[in-house]
This record gives sequence, C-alpha cells and structure tokens, in this order.
Amino acid sequence: AQKITQTQPGMFVQEKEAVTLDCTYDTSDPSYGLFWYKQPSSGEMIFLIYQGSYDQQNATEGRYSLNFQKARKSANLVISASQLGDSAMYFCAMREHSGSGNTGKLIFGQGTTLQVKP
Amino acid sequence: DGGITQSPKYLFRKEGQNVTLSCEQNLNHDAMYWYRQDPGQGLRLIYYSQIVNDFQKGDIAEGYSVSREKKESFPLTVTSAQKNPTAFYLCASSIGRSRGNQPQHFGDGTRLSIL
Repeated sequence: AQKITQTQPGMFVQEKEAVTLDCTYDTSDPSYGLFWYKQPSSGEMIFLIYQGSYDQQNATEGRYSLNFQKARKSANLVISASQLGDSAMYFCAMREHSGSGNTGKLIFGQGTTLQVKP
Repeated sequence: DGGITQSPKYLFRKEGQNVTLSCEQNLNHDAMYWYRQDPGQGLRLIYYSQIVNDFQKGDIAEGYSVSREKKESFPLTVTSAQKNPTAFYLCASSIGRSRGNQPQHFGDGTRLSIL
C-alpha cells in the first residue's frame, strides 16, 4: 500500500540558513508524482514543488529544491535562505499515475512544523 | 481571479444535525476532492469526483455524503452519523487524472465544531 512518512514532527532553523525536511514514501507503482505543500497557521494549502518519478533532475522552484533519491524512496524538501514567513507546516504528498491508481488522489504525510527563528 | 471558494469559514453543528459545506471552483477543473484534517495531522481523503455526476469514496467516507451536479460545485454534507465531525475540512480541485504533474489547488477551508 502506498504510504508517505515524515519523521520530523517539528524543526527549528535560524533565519537565512538552509533547512531540509524529510519525506520517504512507499509505492509499487513505477509511475508516480511527489508534491510538497506549505500550510501556514491560517490553514490554506500552498503548492510548492513537484517531482515526477521519471524526472532525471531534481526539481527546483526559487528557494525550494527537492533532493530526490529514487532508490531510497526519499524526496526531501530543501529550503534555502530561510525567512520568517517560512514558518508553517509542510506536507509531502504522493500521487500514483498508472493503471487503477490513476485517480488523481493524493496521499499525505503527517507533516513537519517548521519554525524560523530571527 | 480563479480559485476555490469554501464557505462558511466557521461552522457549528448541533447533535443530530446535518450540515453542508460549500465548495465552488472557477478554474474549469474536472476533478474535485474533500479532505479532513485533524489537529497536528495530515489530510485524509473523504470523497472525490473526477467528472460531473460521478464520485467515489475516499478513505474515511462514513458519515459523509457529496453530490456533483455541476462542474463548478462539490458540496459536502456531514451527517449525524459522523460521530466525531470536529475538524478542518479542505476542498481541492485539479485539472484531471491525465495530467499527473498538475497539483491540486485548495480552498481556505472550513472549521467545523460541535456545539
């Protein structure tokens, strides 16, 4: 069964430093996508970055990059030059693409709360 | 601007009462989803719909019902059979299952509490 695991309930980082949020996943589907979302205290879910299972390069979007290690089934989010506004909960999610799994559904991890210290 | 609108932002339910959460999108998306989030937890899928007049149960559908009569709208009813409805409810939409790299876009959520 597909599963997403985020082992860090909470993380602290100093402003302007980089931080890595861990995400491991389990799936038997060869085709899948991995997403990271940010959830501020107000509650909305903000899409950050996407990595496809067949993508040859790690995804990057501004200060966000994804350290994708397919053999280890990990997709860690790296936030560079942390800002106070990065304080939020971060979720890793997976979507299976092929066969009966192609429903568009996302499976979410439990989330990691990041606090950026001034 | 295109987006997803959820209403109300806060909702209170009395014992034995059904309540309906609204979700409207103007993104022309085919697929829509309802998630439940408990404090400090991830999102769990309640129901989803990939096309008008069709929907499927997610992982925690018991005590909930939905309809999809229009492409733009996907209301969720929390019935009296849902014994622990206090949670944050998020509605999402996406282009469709054929676009695997397209993210789901979310509304701002509805917080439901029991009186």
